[in-house]
Amino acid sequence: GAVVSQHPSRVICKSGTSVKIECRSLDFQATTMFWYRQFPKKSLMLMATSNEGSKATYEQGVEKDKFLINHASLTLSTLTVTSAHPEDSSFYICSARDYWGGSSYNEQFFGPGTRLTVL
Amino acid sequence: GQQVMQIPQYQHVQEGEDFTTYCNSSTTLSNIQWYKQRPGGHPVFLIQLVKSGEVKKQKRLTFQFGEAKKNSSLHITATQTTDVGTYFCAGSGAGNNRKLIWGLGTSLAVNP
Repeated sequence: GAVVSQHPSRVICKSGTSVKIECRSLDFQATTMFWYRQFPKKSLMLMATSNEGSKATYEQGVEKDKFLINHASLTLSTLTVTSAHPEDSSFYICSARDYWGGSSYNEQFFGPGTRLTVL
Repeated sequence: GQQVMQIPQYQHVQEGEDFTTYCNSSTTLSNIQWYKQRPGGHPVFLIQLVKSGEVKKQKRLTFQFGEAKKNSSLHITATQTTDVGTYFCAGSGAGNNRKLIWGLGTSLAVNP
């Protein structure tokens, strides 16, 4: 099946620094990638939808200047958490949708997630 | 806005018992997907339902999509400890809007 990688898997940073998280589709092309945030034992919260070659669409309440998303190619999207604060600590998960998918064209393939801890 | 409600939030069962989780959408969906997330893992796609009244089976798992395409259920027969995890439904709106609206998930615990 389709594989999505995410890097790094864990990151600990100091308050005020920026952290970049990469999401790659390894064996398929993804015109659309999604970024989610998940709190412990909670549901997925969609942060933004990233389309290759265009600006990301952010969900209500998500600061676009704080969570910078770049989708430069059909296999790579990045999320940068700028000026991170302890409240940004969370599990960030990306997913990708297969460009050529058939009947399951809407299926999302998830990366393993990135655990961010801001001290 | 469009919402997908999922119940129950948590379920504890004895191994061998059945389990069902339900999803209800405030609007008609074009399709609904189900995902499973194991503890410490990431969501993994299980199935997509598209047709009104559709029923699909995967071994001990039975998925249903309501006639009105506003509700869905996942039923697990004779649960096993490997079924532990959180089950999410996610509905896609009608038309060209393929954004998924996620339910809050049902966390299943199975006592051996």
